[in-house]
Amino acid sequence: AQKITQTQPGMFVQEKEAVTLDCTYDTSDQSYGLFWYKQPSSGEMIFLIYQGSYDEQNATEGRYSLNFQKARKSANLVISASQLGDSAMYFCAMREAFYNQGGKLIFGQGTELSVKP
Amino acid sequence: DSGVTQTPKHLITATGQRVTLRCSPRSGDLSVYWYQQSLDQGLQFLIQYYNGEERAKGNILERFSAQQFPDLHSELNLSSLELGDSALYFCASSPPVDRGYEQYFGPGTRLTVT
Repeated sequence: AQKITQTQPGMFVQEKEAVTLDCTYDTSDQSYGLFWYKQPSSGEMIFLIYQGSYDEQNATEGRYSLNFQKARKSANLVISASQLGDSAMYFCAMREAFYNQGGKLIFGQGTELSVKP
Repeated sequence: DSGVTQTPKHLITATGQRVTLRCSPRSGDLSVYWYQQSLDQGLQFLIQYYNGEERAKGNILERFSAQQFPDLHSELNLSSLELGDSALYFCASSPPVDRGYEQYFGPGTRLTVT
């Protein structure tokens, strides 16, 4: 069964430093997608970055990059130059095979990131 | 702003009651997903519709039902509400897979059952 594991319930980082949030996944599908979402205290879920299982290059979106290691089944999020506004809960998620227009997201338990000034 | 709208933002109701949550997907998106976020269960998939048809079902209770209308908006109906149904309910939408894989979430409806 598909599963996402985030082993860091909480993380602290100093402002302007980089931080890595860990995510490992388990699936028997060959085709899948990996996502990171940010949930600030206000509650909305903000899409950050996507990595396809067949993508050879790691995805990047501004200060966010996804360190994808397929053999190790890991999809870690790297945030460079942390800002105070980055303080939030971060969720790693996997979308199953996309055939038939399907593909629910399976979420990890989340990592709460706190950025210190 | 993701382009997905949900109403209402907050809902407070009593046990045994029935409520309807509404969602409008992003323009051009045909898929609508409903998720429930609670402290004990985390984020869980409930149900997916694609262009008006049910496409996938998760751990959705029999007391819950949903539908997607011809204009692609969707409604999630929760009935015989229990205290444990208190949660944040998200709707998300995504385009057909040949146009993208991301799912964009609405702001959520926070349901409190008293």
